[in-house]
Amino acid sequence: GAGVSQTPSNKVTEKGKYVELRCDPISGHTALYWYRQSLGQGPEFLIYFQGTGAADDSGLPNDRFFAVRPEGSVSTLKIQRTERGDSAVYLCASSLAGGANNSPLHFGNGTRLTVT
Amino acid sequence: QKEVEQNSGPLSVPEGAIASLNCTYSDRVSQSFFWYRQYSGKSPELIMSIYSNGDKEDGRFTAQLNKASQYVSLLIRDSQPSDSATYLCAVSTNAGKSTFGDGTTLTVKP
Repeated sequence: GAGVSQTPSNKVTEKGKYVELRCDPISGHTALYWYRQSLGQGPEFLIYFQGTGAADDSGLPNDRFFAVRPEGSVSTLKIQRTERGDSAVYLCASSLAGGANNSPLHFGNGTRLTVT
Repeated sequence: QKEVEQNSGPLSVPEGAIASLNCTYSDRVSQSFFWYRQYSGKSPELIMSIYSNGDKEDGRFTAQLNKASQYVSLLIRDSQPSDSATYLCAVSTNAGKSTFGDGTTLTVKP
């Protein structure tokens, strides 16, 4: 079956611009996660959705970052006024359910964001 | 102190040897523990999950969990060059999110 799909795979933008990154999770997965990963580091948690609502957005670094999942499936991560420090691989993952006895995460191929 | 700690490596073992990867975590209420493998330029993929104390075996892989010591490990028997990758330890509570370590890079030399 189809896995987690992320678009675009690569995005180059200028400092100060706005970007949107899209994630289409595995069908039937209620939990959706956004992480970002810099070279040599593990994935850093950003936000987690259970259905349509953000269950935990404690990892969003500041108010330039925002994410939505309006119909409980596709999610969009939005970054305003991008900065060079936002450059990273943005990973989306989905799982059957969050909460106790968490199901493992299934990752997409990521979006490599480069801010020049 | 990071919530999930791993030796960054690199860890190098000869082909056919046992590779031992270790992870410690700080949150005592953690309930779910995962090992992911990440090849260079690729996304993490699940290798093992473990939820209760003791050992869990799956083929050449064995995960070990000791909640009292807040320690989880991954053993890879009969290591193959194709096992060369970064191994990420991830820990989650019932709150939902998984917290990752920075990974241990393993090289298996033919």
